[in-house]
Amino acid sequence: QVQLVQSGAEVKKPGASVKVSCKAFGYTFTDSFLHWVRQAPGQGLEWMGVINPRGGSTNYAQKFQGRVTMTRDTSTSTVYMELSSPRSEDTAVYYCARDVGLTVGRAFDMWGQGTMVTVSS
Amino acid sequence: EIVLTQSPGTLSLSPGERATLSCRASQRVSNGYLAWYQQKPGQAPRLLIYGASSRATDIPDRFSGSGSGTDFTLTISRLEPEDFAVYYCQQYGSSTWTFGQGTKVEIK
Repeated sequence: QVQLVQSGAEVKKPGASVKVSCKAFGYTFTDSFLHWVRQAPGQGLEWMGVINPRGGSTNYAQKFQGRVTMTRDTSTSTVYMELSSPRSEDTAVYYCARDVGLTVGRAFDMWGQGTMVTVSS
Repeated sequence: EIVLTQSPGTLSLSPGERATLSCRASQRVSNGYLAWYQQKPGQAPRLLIYGASSRATDIPDRFSGSGSGTDFTLTISRLEPEDFAVYYCQQYGSSTWTFGQGTKVEIK
């Protein structure tokens, strides 16, 4: 079955980095870009960045430059999003989402189930 | 960065009615790279429309998208009970993606 499965909920103290994983099933991992999108409680969707699993190149939203790192492991078809020095405002559900390129006009046709990250002292 | 502004913020309608949602971009959206998503509470977003007007896989034909340049519309021809949700538009351009703030379609 084609799906993205994310790691479980995290609770972190401010300043301790958090790393979320997203494992791809049912399709060729290196064929599609993978994005990270977050949603604070009761708020809208916010794009964080994208990774190309084929070569590992990344592009981050300006807001997250210097604070987010996206990596991938092709041997396990998994991408990772690490957020450093999180603060309470980073409390949100973090989603990974697949972009199959021009087939769907660079939209996101499949999403992970989301990972709740809570930053609290 | 292109800013997307959705209106109205909330739309109160009854089942069977027509819903018209607007998404306006601060700059022209190139190549019609405009998508619409539906999100229900506690769920991940679901792709409805891509390329401004193409329905995604398994999306009912009561959902339609239109528009170009800076003005885009999502229309739900006859609301079904399962359509009450929050809808987001999204654009891609210059290696950056942005979302609108969302429109909530609620039962009147």
